[in-house]
Amino acid sequence: EDQVTQSPEALRLQEGESSSLNCSYTVSGLRGLFWYRQDPGKGPEFLFTLYSAGEEKEKERLKATLTKKESFLHITAPKPEDSATYLCASTGGGNTPLVFGKGTRLSVIA
Amino acid sequence: DGGITQSPKYLFRKEGQNVTLSCEQNLNHDAMYWYRQDPGQGLRLIYYSQIVNDFQKGDIAEGYSVSREKKESFPLTVTSAQKNPTAFYLCASRNQGAWTGELFFGEGSRLTVL
Repeated sequence: EDQVTQSPEALRLQEGESSSLNCSYTVSGLRGLFWYRQDPGKGPEFLFTLYSAGEEKEKERLKATLTKKESFLHITAPKPEDSATYLCASTGGGNTPLVFGKGTRLSVIA
Repeated sequence: DGGITQSPKYLFRKEGQNVTLSCEQNLNHDAMYWYRQDPGQGLRLIYYSQIVNDFQKGDIAEGYSVSREKKESFPLTVTSAQKNPTAFYLCASRNQGAWTGELFFGEGSRLTVL
């Protein structure tokens, strides 16, 4: 069974304190690894798609990386507006639904 | 603007009542999905549809029903058989032919059982 596990469940950072969120996956024939941001009471907002080990993508203070077993979302010098829940999801490709992790709740304190 | 519209945003239900959540998209996407989100549980798949007049059960379909009579619309009915329906419900869609797999989400509907 395909599974996605995220850690930690919650993370509290001071403004400017860089850190990383982890997403480990067990998916047969991974075709895509996705990162979303979700604000309270809102739908998830797409951030990145990674397709193969070694791939990296960046957006402002966020950088996502992928290995054969896990993905990391690196947050450099975070600001309070980066506070949100970050969701990771994977797919085996084709028309199979995404499998989501439980998310990491990030709080950045000024 | 293209996107996914869910309504209502908030809904209250008495025990024993059926309620229907609306989901409409104007992205011309073939596939549509319903997820349920509970605190600490992440997103769990209820039903999905890849083409009109066809849909498949997800991991937690019991107590729910759907229809897909039009490409743009995928309503979800929460029936009285669903024992714990209080949750945040998310509708999503994606382009069937694009294997990037990116899901586009609506803003969600919060259902509370009184």
